[in-house]
Amino acid sequence: SAVISQKPSRDICQRGTSLTIQCQVDSQVTMMFWYRQQPGQSLTLIATANQGSEATYESGFVIDKFPISRPNLTFSTLTVSNMSPEDSSIYLCSVALATGTGNQPQHFGDGTRLSIL
Amino acid sequence: DAKTTQPTSMDCAEGRAANLPCNHSTISGNEYVYWYRQIHSQGPQYIIHGLKNNETNEMASLIITEDRKSSTLILPHATLRDTAVYYCIVRVAKGGNTPLVFGKGTRLSVIA
Repeated sequence: SAVISQKPSRDICQRGTSLTIQCQVDSQVTMMFWYRQQPGQSLTLIATANQGSEATYESGFVIDKFPISRPNLTFSTLTVSNMSPEDSSIYLCSVALATGTGNQPQHFGDGTRLSIL
Repeated sequence: DAKTTQPTSMDCAEGRAANLPCNHSTISGNEYVYWYRQIHSQGPQYIIHGLKNNETNEMASLIITEDRKSSTLILPHATLRDTAVYYCIVRVAKGGNTPLVFGKGTRLSVIA
């Protein structure tokens, strides 16, 4: 498995500001994913982050609102831009270990709990 | 969209086996069944996965029906710490490159 660290673990922000969430993994991983979990809801995939290429966003999520960086195989950032109260959620980083034709479980960090006032 | 159906909630007495069902009637031949759980204030935790054979590890057993249209996760001796939301997910085996798509899951409450 992999150990995933997210920073910050929680934050309270003012509307209109932006926050960058960091995800650090203790091993090299092929794929990194960012999810959002709104209060009382399940997880929703925001985007897939590949090293060396642009992130791939899911329907309803755009790069201007959630820019993602993936500078190397162990690190990624997600920025939540121009925040509004509707962005109050838990944001989770997830990784899939490099593998061949088999299948490997995804592993998750404990998330960043974000509250917008 | 999630391709699985699970009961919204279940209760289980502490020390008894917890049997969590999942329906995945549209599963494809190259899709695995994964189970995760999410304890309050934590990220999802991987439990077990399987293709067509039953699987067992230190956490749980996974029973998949012969037609693969449904499965059951079994926690043999539930404890209070097993109280969590349990997610059943089907996922194409592509070397781990296909992201998990979460449904609503089953909220399991283990009662003393």
